[in-house]
Formats: sequence, C-alpha cells, structure tokens
Amino acid sequence: GAVVSQHPSWVICKSGTSVKIECRSLDFQATTMFWYRQFPKQSLMLMATSNEGSKATYEQGVEKDKFLINHASLTLSTLTVTSAHPEDSSFYICSARDFDRPGNTIYFGEGSWLTVV
Amino acid sequence: KQEVTQIPAALSVPEGENLVLNCSFTDSAIYNLQWFRQDPGKGLTSLLLIQSSQREQTSGRLNASLDKSSGRSTLYIAASQPGDSATYLCAVNRGQAGTALIFGKGTTLSVSS
Repeated sequence: GAVVSQHPSWVICKSGTSVKIECRSLDFQATTMFWYRQFPKQSLMLMATSNEGSKATYEQGVEKDKFLINHASLTLSTLTVTSAHPEDSSFYICSARDFDRPGNTIYFGEGSWLTVV
Repeated sequence: KQEVTQIPAALSVPEGENLVLNCSFTDSAIYNLQWFRQDPGKGLTSLLLIQSSQREQTSGRLNASLDKSSGRSTLYIAASQPGDSATYLCAVNRGQAGTALIFGKGTTLSVSS
C-alpha cells in the first residue's frame, strides 16, 4: 500500500481563494519532503524542499508567499496555494525520503489535481 | 544546473517488440538515477533505482543501465505488452543523499495489441 498519502486527490476552487494540500508519510518519519508541480504533458518541476521544523527551501522562480509550505511534524507537510488563479491549475505531487531504507528510498504521493475556476 | 533530457518524447510499437528509452543528464555528479512510470492522471511508480556506483539494474522485463561518466542511462523493455503503455520518467538525484530528484520530460509509450 501507499507509504506517502496525499489529500485531496482533486480539488476545484474559485479564483482568489486558498487551498491546502496535505502530504503524509504513513509508516516512516520524513524530516524532508519535496513538492513538485506538473503541467499537462510536462515534466515534474521541483517547487520546494520542505524541512521539518524549519522554513522550506524554494526553487528559483517559485513564489514563497504564494505557495506556503508547513512541515510541522515528522509525518506531515502541507502546501497552501494562496489567492489561487487559473494559471495555478496543475497536478501537485509530494515525495518523501525514508532515510532508514537502502539508498534513502524516495516515495511519491498519489498527487493532487487542482483546478482554479 | 542539472538538466535531464529524454529521447524519444513519444514511441509507438506493436506488442512483443523490445525497446529502448534514453535519458541523458548534464552533470555527472549524481547520487543515483531512478526510472518511474506514470499512468495518465496518476502519480508515480518507481521501476528501477541505480546507485551512482552501479552499472545496471534489472527487474523482470526491465533493465536499466547507467553510464555516469557520459551522463546517460537507458531503460530496456523486453517483449513489450499493451499494459506497458504509460509515460516513463527518468530522474536523477542532485548529487547528495537526501536531495530532490530532477526529472526529464518523459517518454510516452504506446504498445498496440
């Protein structure tokens, strides 16, 4: 079964509102989680690295005030898209590393489809 | 800046064919390389993970090779089946354990019966 769970799987929100996506590691502690965004027919683009108990590290070009990341516990990271606009509509997917497994195995969530209308 | 390129972007083959998907990366200082499968509208399924010290990994009909010095990896799929139809993504670790994966754009494979 899934070891990283994302919720919701899909969400529709109105332009200007905020939406929160959760990423949970189910049977391991994840000090580091990663958030990606994927537009149709494009690759996964890393948005930010979420660090438990500290500020996230954002990739160049990603607005930290628009994409708020909170990693308050060892099993949960959240991504909040603030003041969403239609161009934010995308597939958002998180991942987490299990440092107790060989090769620091990385697991991906099932992804969340966001549609802003 | 690490960049990952996958060729071809799309591939259509009849069932039973053997095929090769290519991946290249610009910075050879990688920690490992991973191949994923993504079905339409779905998340990722890890297929094979190759550590930087390894040359290849095999799982069933899949074989992935890594030539770190030349910045290349190939995914070989033997005896393709319609169920193999998906997008195959190559991703490299940015050079240190614990860092994020950098992905290529993928190869979309269609296997016809």
